Amino acid sequence: NAGVMQNPRHLVRRRGQEARLRCSPMKGHSHVYWYRQLPEEGLKFMVYLQKENIIDESGMPKERFSAEFPKEGPSILRIQQVVRGDSAAYFCASSGPTGGPVLFGPGTRLTVL
Amino acid sequence: QQQVKQSPQSLIVQKGGISIINCAYENTAFDYFPWYQQFPGKGPALLIAIRPDVSEKKEGRFTISFNKSAKQFSLHIMDSQPGDSATYFCAASKGNQFYFGTGTSLTVIP
Repeated sequence: NAGVMQNPRHLVRRRGQEARLRCSPMKGHSHVYWYRQLPEEGLKFMVYLQKENIIDESGMPKERFSAEFPKEGPSILRIQQVVRGDSAAYFCASSGPTGGPVLFGPGTRLTVL
Repeated sequence: QQQVKQSPQSLIVQKGGISIINCAYENTAFDYFPWYQQFPGKGPALLIAIRPDVSEKKEGRFTISFNKSAKQFSLHIMDSQPGDSATYFCAASKGNQFYFGTGTSLTVIP
């Protein structure tokens, strides 16, 4: 079992470009969470999704950020027109249909030049 | 509103000492309380977890103490080692709704 997979592990974008971060949940997990972490800071909740549904997006900026978890394929966190302040580590986590342990992926480190 | 409050923000402990990190929660409906350990450049890893029907859970040098009436739980690391130096996050959940503490940076001095 490969666990939660994220790619790319490192992503460099110039200001104004788009960033696409992918997350494949652990096998059997149907719930995906996205968190952002700035250096030396805690985990900031962004969005919680089930297949084809956004359950809670209260932590996601209203503009430029979007997330999806399609019926087939990985969950995608999309950041349009990136700015330097978007530079951070973005972690995906997943859990089973009835809750239980949330398991994290290794993260994608986004650097905006 | 911060659903889970974690303290201290940072902690320095001598090798062989006991590290104690505390968390408090608001919602009495929470029924699962995990702790995560994160090393620099890595994702948080599940360390140990407890449900509110027990007051203590021990796994090796790591122990969770749970006080349901006070709505508090804590992580104790016995015989702390330099390799335990990491950031620790507590969390509380009900079903698939998870809330994390702000993290504690632990440094164990040789």
